[in-house]
Amino acid sequence: QVQLVQSGAEVKKPGASVKVSCKASGYTFTSYGMHWVRQAPGQGPELMAWINTGSGDATYSQKFQGRLTLTRDTSATIAYMELSSLRSEDTAVYYCVCFDCGDYWGQGTLVTVSS
Amino acid sequence: EVVMMQSPATLSVSPGERATLSCRASQSVSNNVAWLQQKPGQAPKVLIHGASTRATGIPARFSGSGSGTEFTLTISSPQSEDSAVYFCQQYNNWRTFGQGTKLEIK
Repeated sequence: QVQLVQSGAEVKKPGASVKVSCKASGYTFTSYGMHWVRQAPGQGPELMAWINTGSGDATYSQKFQGRLTLTRDTSATIAYMELSSLRSEDTAVYYCVCFDCGDYWGQGTLVTVSS
Repeated sequence: EVVMMQSPATLSVSPGERATLSCRASQSVSNNVAWLQQKPGQAPKVLIHGASTRATGIPARFSGSGSGTEFTLTISSPQSEDSAVYFCQQYNNWRTFGQGTKLEIK
């Protein structure tokens, strides 16, 4: 069965970077794109970007252009999301999601940005 | 960006009383709408895709309707376990989500 397992919670200071991993299993990793969605406390989800896991090409929301980088390791079937220049407004739960393989969500990674 | 507007923000119903949740898109999204359920501390789970198709394993009491800009999720006879926040999502142009409707079962 499809599983997406994310790395653990992070606490970062403003200005720092965070890198979250998402280990995929149960399907052919390179056949489906991987999306990254974040959800701030009490808010609706927000799509940040997605990566074509076959080619490695990523498409970013304009909101995060310049400080968000998606990568993947096809041999390990892991997708990565790195967000830089963190600010308090980036405090949220970050999810990896495989929409096209049946709407499978990772368990979420809480990133807290606080001085 | 397509804005998805949900109403009401909170809905309280008695067990067995029909619950109707609404979602309006700022421009036509055809039938490219999904409904998701989120319980505290959990990731969202898809209930409906294609505006009206139930996802695998979703009970028949959940139904979706609409196209273009107006969409509805109906829970015909809510159970206590249906207490959750419900989001609509469009995937016609990028993917955007509504702000959610919190459903309380009295």
